[in-house]
Amino acid sequence: GAGVSQTPSNKVTEKGKYVELRCDPISGHTALYWYRQSLGQGPEFLIYFQGTGAADDSGLPNDRFFAVRPEGSVSTLKIQRTERGDSAVYLCASSSAVGGDTQYFGPGTRLTVL
Amino acid sequence: QQQVKQSPQSLIVQKGGIPIINCAYENTAFDYFPWYQQFPGKGPALLIAIRPDVSEKKEGRFTISFNKSAKQFSLHIMDSQPGDSATYFCAARGGAGNQFYFGTGTSLTVIP
Repeated sequence: GAGVSQTPSNKVTEKGKYVELRCDPISGHTALYWYRQSLGQGPEFLIYFQGTGAADDSGLPNDRFFAVRPEGSVSTLKIQRTERGDSAVYLCASSSAVGGDTQYFGPGTRLTVL
Repeated sequence: QQQVKQSPQSLIVQKGGIPIINCAYENTAFDYFPWYQQFPGKGPALLIAIRPDVSEKKEGRFTISFNKSAKQFSLHIMDSQPGDSATYFCAARGGAGNQFYFGTGTSLTVIP
């Protein structure tokens, strides 16, 4: 079946605007992770879901960032009052179970805040 | 605080050479150490992984060497090819959600 998909692939917004980034995990995968990758850096953990609940959101940088997964499948990362420092590639990964050995990554959404 | 430290930042080798990328970690609770390969515009893809009870793992041209006492592990690419040119990330699994902590990446260029 299809891998992890993310939309949009690119998002350009202005400082102060609100954005939503979507992740469609591999069908049947219960664990879903969001990472942020800045230029020249490795992915940095933001939040993970087991089913519908956010089991660990310790990586979210501040309260402008929020993520949901209402039906335990698709997830949306929401960023309020965007700042230029939020510019990065936002990666989503899914795994068949929390702690599953393999996390399958999507292609990412490149967010640019002008 | 960087949980996993990776070096070198970049590496250039001739075709057929054996690039080696090194990583070090501090948290002894980490229980799984994957290497990911990333091409421009793509998400990271799992290349090979090892658990701390094993000192070496080989899959095709890729080998991980693991030194538990030194808390270090490395990736060796045998007979490197131009198609191996990519960014490589080491990672370690831990934390409440068993999330991955990534190194800062190594940009590998294999010259034909």
